[in-house]
Amino acid sequence: AQKVTQAQTEISVVEKEDVTLDCVYETRDTTYYLFWYKQPPSGELVFLIRRNSFDEQNEISGRYSWNFQKSTSSFNFTITASQVVDSAVYFCALLTSGTYKYIFGTGTRLKVLA
Amino acid sequence: DTAVSQTPKYLVTQMGNDKSIKCEQNLGHDTMYWYKQDSKKFLKIMFSYNNKELIINETVPNRFSPKSPDKAHLNLHINSLELGDSAVYFCASSHVPGLGEKLFFGSGTQLSVL
Repeated sequence: AQKVTQAQTEISVVEKEDVTLDCVYETRDTTYYLFWYKQPPSGELVFLIRRNSFDEQNEISGRYSWNFQKSTSSFNFTITASQVVDSAVYFCALLTSGTYKYIFGTGTRLKVLA
Repeated sequence: DTAVSQTPKYLVTQMGNDKSIKCEQNLGHDTMYWYKQDSKKFLKIMFSYNNKELIINETVPNRFSPKSPDKAHLNLHINSLELGDSAVYFCASSHVPGLGEKLFFGSGTQLSVL
């Protein structure tokens, strides 16, 4: 069975702090894809990143970075020097190859306080 | 031009009524989806269509019926609305998901059943 766990329901940080959002996934497939989406207070769902199971290289995009570790089945997301605009609900998702079903975690609400 | 557009954005109705939500994508994608987001922000897939063919039909009450007149449109009709149907409904689309394509989401329809 496929499953995505985001154990952190809500995180509050003060602006400029670094914060890591955890994502742990379960799948028996060897080919799969992991995603992060952001849902700001306005409600839309914004794609942030996709990673396939054969690419464990970490990625950095500005203040955002992602750490993919197959050994621990984790795909964690770090925001460096957080800003108030980062306040949102962040979702991790899993898609196994050959399927149409994206499995979403329950989301982590990040509050960045000024 | 909006890639995935859904209407209406807000829908307030009485219990027992029938309502429809429309979705259109102009991205040339073959696959479209309906997701339901409850008050706790949990995103759950309801249906998926690929080239007008139903491929995912999760455990959803029969009162919910998707209709895909062509691959650019996926509408959701709900009969005999109940209080528990209140949620945000997101339409999404993608290229062939088995290859790890990302989801493009509409802006959501907030349904309130009174």
